[in-house]
Amino acid sequence: EVQLVESGGGLVKPGGSLGLSCSASGFSFRTAWMDWVRQAPGKGLEWVGRIKSGGTTDYAAPVKGRFTISRDDSKNTLYLQMNSLRTEDTAVYYCAAAVAATPDVYYFDYWGQGTLVTVSS
Amino acid sequence: DIQMTQSPSSLSASVGDRVTITCRASQSISSHLNWYQQKSAKAPKLLIYAASSLQSGVPSRFSGSGSGTDFTLTVSSLQPEDFATYYCQQTYSSPLTFGGGTKVEIK
Repeated sequence: EVQLVESGGGLVKPGGSLGLSCSASGFSFRTAWMDWVRQAPGKGLEWVGRIKSGGTTDYAAPVKGRFTISRDDSKNTLYLQMNSLRTEDTAVYYCAAAVAATPDVYYFDYWGQGTLVTVSS
Repeated sequence: DIQMTQSPSSLSASVGDRVTITCRASQSISSHLNWYQQKSAKAPKLLIYAASSLQSGVPSRFSGSGSGTDFTLTVSSLQPEDFATYYCQQTYSSPLTFGGGTKVEIK
């Protein structure tokens, strides 16, 4: 059974930093492309960024230069390091896996349960 | 960036109704279009990928169609468990983008 479990959310002050983790099991993590998606309270889904197998990353404009996605294939774990946090970064952060997808037919077939990040003074 | 516009933003329907949600891309995305269902505060669930392929385990009352810039998600006979918010997503180019969502409510 595929499982994605996020952790690390919490309350942080504007300008602060926070790191999220996503522990994966039940599939070949090493070959999967992994994404982070967030959802502000009462709002829609927003793609944050992606890390391909091999480590190449891609980010949405609002987080580029502040957020860093990384992975440890030996631990089957995805990470999101968030720096210079702003109030508008307040959201539930989901990790998502493209397990059965290919680069040409790309979709998120598995999602974690999400972890809430609140940026407030 | 490719903008994804969903319509309507919300709708009211009854059990058994046929429901159609549309999604329009600001430029051609071929068939790189996915549909997700999200029930209140839960993680989204993949329904349709590549515009018209039904994800394993998803009921056949869900179907998707379209290519280029115009896409539709159809629920042939709405069931009580289908009341949720639906999102389209393009994966043609980065940044990946979602539509604003369509909330399907009980009439």
